[in-house]
Amino acid sequence: EDKVVQSPLSLVVHEGDTVTLNCSYEVTNFRSLLWYKQEKKAPTFLFMLTSSGIEKKSGRLSSILDKKELFSILNITATQTGDSAVYLCAAPGGTSYGKLTFGQGTILTVHP
Amino acid sequence: DAGITQSPRHKVTETGTPVTLRCHQTENHRYMYWYRQDPGHGLRLIHYSYGVKDTDKGEVSDGYSVSRSKTEDFLLTLESATSSQTSVYFCAISGMGDTIYFGEGSWLTVV
Repeated sequence: EDKVVQSPLSLVVHEGDTVTLNCSYEVTNFRSLLWYKQEKKAPTFLFMLTSSGIEKKSGRLSSILDKKELFSILNITATQTGDSAVYLCAAPGGTSYGKLTFGQGTILTVHP
Repeated sequence: DAGITQSPRHKVTETGTPVTLRCHQTENHRYMYWYRQDPGHGLRLIHYSYGVKDTDKGEVSDGYSVSRSKTEDFLLTLESATSSQTSVYFCAISGMGDTIYFGEGSWLTVV
């Protein structure tokens, strides 16, 4: 059974702090790992990672994958209150597209 | 925003009644999915479709059925709703690839 585990489950920081969110996985026939941000509605896509060691970056967010150690991290620098959300990581299993196994999510709260 | 519309967005229904949730997409994507999201369980796949009339079960399919008669519409039916099916239901779509895009969600309460 495929498994995706995120840590920490929740995190409280102040604006300006840097945070690191973790995602480990055990997935048969691994091919990619995805990060989503969820505020009070639908998850929105952040990154898809397929290769080890290659950082993907979007503004203050960045992410990297380690296929040897089976984990990924999501970094957010200079956090803002608008970064408060649940961050989800997921990995597809099997041979069909989009059949994602999700982690439980990390609840990030950024205080002013 | 991905062109995905879910309806209804909120529904309260009684135990034992049938419920149908509709997902409509304007992206002409081949793949469509229904996920449910619950505290402590995260997002879990109920059913998915890889084309018109082509559907398959996901991780938590018991008590649910789906139909896809047109590329743009994917229906999720609870034949006889139970309290354990109180949840937020998300429709999602993808083209060729693993990145999926979610609809806004349907909040279902079974009383």
